[in-house]
Amino acid sequence: AQKVTQTQTSISVMEKTTVTMDCVYETQDSSYFLFWYKQTASGEIVFLIRQDSYKKENATVGHYSLNFQKPKSSIGLIITATQIEDSAVYFCAMREGEAQGTGSKLSFGKGAKLTVSP
Amino acid sequence: NTKITQSPRYLILGRANKSLECEQHLGHNAMYWYKQSAEKPPELMFLYNLKQLIRNETVPSRFIPECPDSSKLLLHISAVDPEDSAVYFCASSHGQGYGERLFFGHGTKLSVL
Repeated sequence: AQKVTQTQTSISVMEKTTVTMDCVYETQDSSYFLFWYKQTASGEIVFLIRQDSYKKENATVGHYSLNFQKPKSSIGLIITATQIEDSAVYFCAMREGEAQGTGSKLSFGKGAKLTVSP
Repeated sequence: NTKITQSPRYLILGRANKSLECEQHLGHNAMYWYKQSAEKPPELMFLYNLKQLIRNETVPSRFIPECPDSSKLLLHISAVDPEDSAVYFCASSHGQGYGERLFFGHGTKLSVL
């Protein structure tokens, strides 16, 4: 069984600073995929960024980047130059190993609420 | 997000039967129902790929999914229980690759009286 753990429940930062959100995972799969999703105050769930386990380079999209430490089973999300609108709940997720062409079951962490203040 | 539409947005039920509807305009092959209870992450209920039920997580039998075509997904609910109060999200994905992202609808908030 796969497991995703986010130990932070709530984080508060000032606007324009950098924040790191932690996530550790457990899996028996040799190849796997890790994701971060954001849920806004309106409830909308949006994909942010993905890390493929076989890639050594940390993924980067806009002002989101990942700190992938495979030996530690860790996938941290880094948000640089935070903005007020980054305030949301952030979920770490991992795709379970499934045969190709069968869709994707994601295991989500419990989420961490980020509050960005002016 | 008008690419995945869910209806209704809000649903208040006593013991009546009702259906949630979802339609995606992304040309995806896989569609999902997720349940999100208050202060919890989304949990997968059902997964369809090419209209075939692939994953049927342990959910009460009062929830019955239906996939009439690859762009539409229904969730029929009968004799709801207060523990069913939650937001139900429809999602879709290409259904082809390991690293595919999910696209979520806005959700239907179910309140059980």
